[in-house]
Amino acid sequence: EVQLVESGGGLVQPGGSLRLSCSASGFTFSSYAMHWVRQAPGKGLEYVSAISSNGGSTYYADSVKGRFTISRDNSKNTLYLQMSSLRAEDTAVYYCVKGLAATGYWGQGTLVTVSS
Amino acid sequence: SSELTQDPAVSVALGQTVRITCQGDSLRSYYASWYQQKPGQAPVLVIYGKNNRPSGIPDRFSGSSSGNTASLTITGAQAEDEADYYCNSRDSSGNHLGYVFGTGTKVTVL
Repeated sequence: EVQLVESGGGLVQPGGSLRLSCSASGFTFSSYAMHWVRQAPGKGLEYVSAISSNGGSTYYADSVKGRFTISRDNSKNTLYLQMSSLRAEDTAVYYCVKGLAATGYWGQGTLVTVSS
Repeated sequence: SSELTQDPAVSVALGQTVRITCQGDSLRSYYASWYQQKPGQAPVLVIYGKNNRPSGIPDRFSGSSSGNTASLTITGAQAEDEADYYCNSRDSSGNHLGYVFGTGTKVTVL
């Protein structure tokens, strides 16, 4: 059974940093591209970032480009999202996703709140 | 990056048919997938590819596409279909990894 478990969310001040993790199990992690998607309170889904299976290629939405860094450790079956220069508008539930356009496995999400 | 536009809200009588549309330039090149999201829950994939349903998704859900528009049709809507629906497709900016979500449609079953 595919399982994705996000962690690392919390309250952070504007301008601060936070690192999210997504622990994966139930599939060959190193064979799949992975994605981060977020949802601000009461708002729609927003695509954030993606990374190829070997970590060699990445994608960022314009809203986070230059501030967020996606990475992965295939030996630990873990996906990361390093977030810096955080703004109030980054407040959201962040989801880790496998197979976004095919199988659609999502974690339960982790809440990031950016506030002073 | 690409944009996908959906109507904010639609309503359907119980047992009737509703079609939700998604418009965007990327849909001329890529199929849309469709997600259903109920309050407090993670999204659930209901349609992917040309018109494929993941295991466990009822056959009242179907997808289609024409030009720059993708559609999700619920034939014989049930009370449990009341939810937000989002389309999703690849970003046509050139990076093969990226995707984009539609603006979302709230479906109310009357």
